[in-house]
Amino acid sequence: GQNIDQPTEMTATEGAIVQINCTYQTSGFNGLFWYQQHAGEAPTFLSYNVLDGLEEKGRFSSFLSRSKGYSYLLLKELQMKDSASYLCAVGYNFNKFYFGSGTKLNVKP
Amino acid sequence: DTEVTQTPKHLVMGMTNKKSLKCEQHMGHRAMYWYKQKAKKPPELMFVYSYEKLSINESVPSRFSPECPNSSLLNLHLHALQPEDSALYLCASSQDKGAKNIQYFGAGTRLSVL
Repeated sequence: GQNIDQPTEMTATEGAIVQINCTYQTSGFNGLFWYQQHAGEAPTFLSYNVLDGLEEKGRFSSFLSRSKGYSYLLLKELQMKDSASYLCAVGYNFNKFYFGSGTKLNVKP
Repeated sequence: DTEVTQTPKHLVMGMTNKKSLKCEQHMGHRAMYWYKQKAKKPPELMFVYSYEKLSINESVPSRFSPECPNSSLLNLHLHALQPEDSALYLCASSQDKGAKNIQYFGAGTRLSVL
């Protein structure tokens, strides 16, 4: 729901930087959350944005532009273990969360 | 501690069975959620409890019945399920305060309906 769009799949090289984009419908927006999910496992919280700008957390950063309905997750110094799906989740009206379809990231040596 | 515990990890049931999924958290969170996730798809919101009251039901069929006995526990009662209900069922919890409403997920129950 809420037209949350992410690229389906991306490939990057170990040690490189990759940016995963997410666009969403802005009406009722409360916050945007990024999760990592390895196959068969639960989503793990990575980062969140409520206000415009960049939030940095170690190798992971997330950016938000509320007026544009746009966010990205930036992963630096990629490691093989970063191969996973990355889910963009948007909170609406506080407790309604919708997930994008996820971006499968393949990290190659 | 950001642990959400779900039991069982795996469940196989027939279409006439009645079973329950359980979820527990001790982070003092006041919102708890059930999600359904099919293979290679994102989690889909089913139910939300806020302060032990059902606040959101995303038009889920009545063969799924949620229950929140207290602020730490969340159950999902299953009855007369269909094979298409086979999926990973995820429980999550959050503070339910303001915009920093970060959800923490349990490891899930993988359900197979025969």
